Amino acid sequence: TQLLEQSPQFLSIQEGENLTVYCNSSSVFSSLQWYRQEPGEGPVLLVTVVTGGEVKKLKRLTFQFGDARKDSSLHITAAQPGDTGLYLCAGLGTNTGNQFYFGTGTSLTVIP
Amino acid sequence: ETGVTQSPTHLIKTRGQQVTLRCSSQSGHNTVSWYQQALGQGPQFIFQYYREEENGRGNFPPRFSGLQFPNYSSELNVNALELDDSALYLCASSLRQGGNYGYTFGSGTRLTVV
Repeated sequence: TQLLEQSPQFLSIQEGENLTVYCNSSSVFSSLQWYRQEPGEGPVLLVTVVTGGEVKKLKRLTFQFGDARKDSSLHITAAQPGDTGLYLCAGLGTNTGNQFYFGTGTSLTVIP
Repeated sequence: ETGVTQSPTHLIKTRGQQVTLRCSSQSGHNTVSWYQQALGQGPQFIFQYYREEENGRGNFPPRFSGLQFPNYSSELNVNALELDDSALYLCASSLRQGGNYGYTFGSGTRLTVV
């Protein structure tokens, strides 16, 4: 089993603050995705990163894939209450065909 | 384009019973994956179907089985339900198998086994 550990598990911050969520593994992934999930809903894809060292920006969100393709980070600038949700990373193994491994999740609460 | 729809949204079953969950994939998507998400955890991969054939399976016992139909819709069947099967079951469709294609998830079926 290829495990993806996310940290922190829970995060509660004030509106306007910055934050970083980490997704780490000892395994190499051919690609990695980040999702956000709200209560009672399925995860919604935010971004896919494929190349080691790749950085992608989505408005106030910055995603980075580690050089060795074993880890990733999500940085949110000036967090808004609408950013509240469960953030999940998911990696596609290099030798596991089609199995996406999801991380343990980071529950973010942004307080107005 | 329509998204992924799952039915039912909520279900309560008794231990030992059998259950069938259904998923209609997004238009044009030929790959369907099923995940189990326990409360407070990330989704766990159950299996994937591509063009009506099972195309990968996670660490779930054989009492978890599935089907994909010619229109790419799918079913997840669970026999001999156990209390630990209580979870949110998510269906995700994608254009093709593989990691460069984003998954579109449904809202899930909340299964409670009592």
